[in-house]
Amino acid sequence: GQSLEQPSEVTAVEGAIVQINCTYQTSGFYGLSWYQQHDGGAPTFLSYNALDGLEETGRFSSFLSRSDSYGYLLLQELQMKDSASYFCAVHSNYQLIWGAGTKLIIKP
Amino acid sequence: DTGVSQDPRHKITKRGQNVTFRCDPISEHNRLYWYRQTLGQGPEFLTYFQNEAQLEKSRLLSDRFSAERPKGSFSTLEIQRTEQGDSAMYLCASSQHSGRAPDTQYFGPGTRLTVL
Repeated sequence: GQSLEQPSEVTAVEGAIVQINCTYQTSGFYGLSWYQQHDGGAPTFLSYNALDGLEETGRFSSFLSRSDSYGYLLLQELQMKDSASYFCAVHSNYQLIWGAGTKLIIKP
Repeated sequence: DTGVSQDPRHKITKRGQNVTFRCDPISEHNRLYWYRQTLGQGPEFLTYFQNEAQLEKSRLLSDRFSAERPKGSFSTLEIQRTEQGDSAMYLCASSQHSGRAPDTQYFGPGTRLTVL
């Protein structure tokens, strides 16, 4: 079967750093993407990793270890507007296979 | 680039009725995807097109679901004889497929369907 596991909810304080983990088991793997989705909104692309290592884009970084079937999204200097759900998604052939999402709750 | 648009944004219908949703992708994108998302879950792939060709439709949830992209631009998703279990957000995404690497998919705002 194909599955992605990520925590259902994470709570952090404004200004802090938070890491959202994702482990996957899929029949095909071409890369791992991360999307942000605010309540009632559309998923918005954040980052993509095809190779092992860290990709940095501003306050957000994403890491991939293909040998461990593991990745994470790192959010720094958290702002209230970062409160949203975050999804990891595996590129498997023509489709994206999605995790169930991690709801990030930020407290002032 | 005006982004992916979907119409309508909300649709309320009675069980047994047919509904049709429209998606307009980013103009230069050759691939178009349809997903369904229910509360607390990630998007679930339904089907996709490359230009006007529907390359995968086995994931459509039942034969009540069909999609078209007749001219390789906008697409429609139709659900016939709607059931209450069809209530969900229907998302459209588009991408530019070059064949060298996986595409980044850009999503529209979705159509929220409520079946009474």
